[in-house]
Amino acid sequence: GQNIDQPTEMTATEGAIVQINCTYQTSGFNGLFWYQQHAGEAPTFLSYNVLDGLEEKGRFSSFLSRSKGYSYLLLKELQMKDSASYLCAVRDSTGGSYIPTFGRGTSLIVHP
Amino acid sequence: DGGITQSPKYLFRKEGQNVTLSCEQNLNHDAMYWYRQDPGQGLRLIYYSQIVNDFQKGDIAEGYSVSREKKESFPLTVTSAQKNPTAFYLCASSTGQTSYEQYFGPGTRLTVT
Repeated sequence: GQNIDQPTEMTATEGAIVQINCTYQTSGFNGLFWYQQHAGEAPTFLSYNVLDGLEEKGRFSSFLSRSKGYSYLLLKELQMKDSASYLCAVRDSTGGSYIPTFGRGTSLIVHP
Repeated sequence: DGGITQSPKYLFRKEGQNVTLSCEQNLNHDAMYWYRQDPGQGLRLIYYSQIVNDFQKGDIAEGYSVSREKKESFPLTVTSAQKNPTAFYLCASSTGQTSYEQYFGPGTRLTVT
C-alpha cells in the first residue's frame, strides 16, 4: 500500500500564495490526484499528475517529483472560498488495483 | 444533468439495525466506489465495483455489504456487525479503474446511537 503524508492544517492570508505538500511511498506509482473538499460536502477534482513537472490550471498548480515521492499544490491569489480541506491521493498499479489511496487531508484556513 | 446522487443526506439509526445507503449515477460510468470519512481522516475505501454483478472489498469492508445489480446503482448496507458505523459516507464513480478522476456524490452522514 501507500504511505501518504500531508500537513494537518495550514493558515494563510487572503490574496497570498500557499503551498500544500504531499509525500508518498509506493511501489507502483500510477498517478497523483488533488481534490478540494469543503466541510460536509463531496470532494471535487483539482488536478492529476503522472509525469514529473508542474501542471497549471488557473490559480491552482500542482507539481510532481516521482523520484522524490513528492507533490505540492500551489494556490495563488487566495480567496476566502479557498478555505477547505485539500486531499492528496496516490494511485498504485501493484497487484492490478488502480484505486487511489487518500491522505488525511490538509485543512486550509484563509483569513482576511 | 449528469451526476451522482446519494440519499438521504442525513440518516439516524439505532444500534443493532441494518441500514442501506443509496447511490445512483447517470454518468454511464462502469466503476463505482464507497468510502468512509471520519473527522480528521482521509477517505477509506469500503467496497468498489468495476462492472455490474461484480465487486471487491476495500480496506475496511468488515461490517458492510454491497450489491451491483444495475450499472447505475451501488447501494451500501451498514450491518449491525459494523462496530463504529457513525461516519460520513461518500459514493463515487469513474469511467473505469484507470480513469482520470472520480466523481463524488454529496455524501450521507450516518449517525447510530
